[in-house]
Amino acid sequence: SAVISQKPSRDICQRGTSLTIQCQVDSQVTMMFWYRQQPGQSLTLIATANQGSEATYESGFVIDKFPISRPNLTFSTLTVSNMSPEDSSIYLCSVFGDRATGELFFGEGSRLTVL
Amino acid sequence: AQSVTQLGSHVSVSEGALVLLRCNYSSSVPPYLFWYVQYPNQGLQLLLKYTTGATLVKGINGFEAEFKKSETSFHLTKPSAHMSDAAEYFCAVTESDSWGKLQFGAGTQVVVTP
Repeated sequence: SAVISQKPSRDICQRGTSLTIQCQVDSQVTMMFWYRQQPGQSLTLIATANQGSEATYESGFVIDKFPISRPNLTFSTLTVSNMSPEDSSIYLCSVFGDRATGELFFGEGSRLTVL
Repeated sequence: AQSVTQLGSHVSVSEGALVLLRCNYSSSVPPYLFWYVQYPNQGLQLLLKYTTGATLVKGINGFEAEFKKSETSFHLTKPSAHMSDAAEYFCAVTESDSWGKLQFGAGTQVVVTP
């Protein structure tokens, strides 16, 4: 299985600021996925990041709020812009664990608290 | 459209007792089903998955789940709970036309008491 490293692992941010989360994978992958887990809730897909193309966002998520970069096949960033306390969540990067079955492998997540 | 319902947001079991976590899904096509576990302050780890074939699937740490199409269920069981099983468990479903988009249930927090 892939090794996924996310930075930062946790951070405390001020309202109105932006934070960029980095995701590094130890192997080349075509697709990377960003999920959000709000406190006490389940996971929701934010967007799919393909190398060389614009990210595809799910309903309720927009590029202005969550810009994503995918400069190469092992790296992606997710920025949470103009943060509010409602953005306090765990943000998880994931890749296919088994492409044939849609199984995903998740990183440890980045826990953001917005004051 | 796919969806997942997990019955019971919190489950308390005694050490050595049966663990049973319920998951029902809806899917317009044959689903692929997963159980993930999340230990405190950690990411998600795959416990087991059902794709095709045998409906009883075995996973890590002694867990197993049975796919029942007629009941649209994928319940997770473990015969004997250990203290280390205390965690949050998520059932998830995906379909072949939405690869990478897992629809997660709300999660079930398992507490194991001595």
